[in-house]
Amino acid sequence: KAGVTQTPRYLIKTRGQQVTLSCSPISGHRSVSWYQQTPGQGLQFLFEYFSETQRNKGNFPGRFSGRQFSNSRSEMNVSTLELGDSALYLCASSLVPGQQAFFGQGTRLTVV
Amino acid sequence: GENVEQHPSTLSVQEGDSAVIKCTYSDSASNYFPWYKQELGKGPQLIIDIRSNVGEKKDQRIAVTLNKTAKHFSLHITETQPEDSAVYFCAASRGRADTNAGKSTFGDGTTLTVKP
Repeated sequence: KAGVTQTPRYLIKTRGQQVTLSCSPISGHRSVSWYQQTPGQGLQFLFEYFSETQRNKGNFPGRFSGRQFSNSRSEMNVSTLELGDSALYLCASSLVPGQQAFFGQGTRLTVV
Repeated sequence: GENVEQHPSTLSVQEGDSAVIKCTYSDSASNYFPWYKQELGKGPQLIIDIRSNVGEKKDQRIAVTLNKTAKHFSLHITETQPEDSAVYFCAASRGRADTNAGKSTFGDGTTLTVKP
């Protein structure tokens, strides 16, 4: 059974640009959560989607957005990138919210 | 909101010894507590979890204990091996029926080093 797939694995962007990250959950999983991981702040919750609806959102500015498609794949978008957005962005999927969650390898975003 | 504190931040043990990592949480409505292992360059890997209706759970060399009254839960690794070296994270979240069920709060992580 394939795990959670995140693409791309690495990205380098310039300040002011925007970026879209993709997450394909484990087959059959309908819940997808996104986290930002940095050395200083640890793992911070971004948002959670279930059945194409955003159920929860963390304390991040409106530049961070996401969506989920009918096949449960999810994307997150960051607009007007700042240096501080450099981080590992992790996606986790579960059958439904509150069940065991499995993480992908993450997308390493570097903003220069 | 939920706050999860994890201790220690670093832990070094000799191969074969036991390792214990402790977490406390603040939200009394939390009732799902997973533990993750993260190796360099990889995403966190779920290694064991516990729900609030259970006080202890074991899986081979790994065990988790939960004290809901004190809002403490701990990870115990026995007979440690060099391949156990990694960063370990605890997390807490609300139950499946709660609207916040998919939102986990993580501890800051413990870097475990097992010396051969």
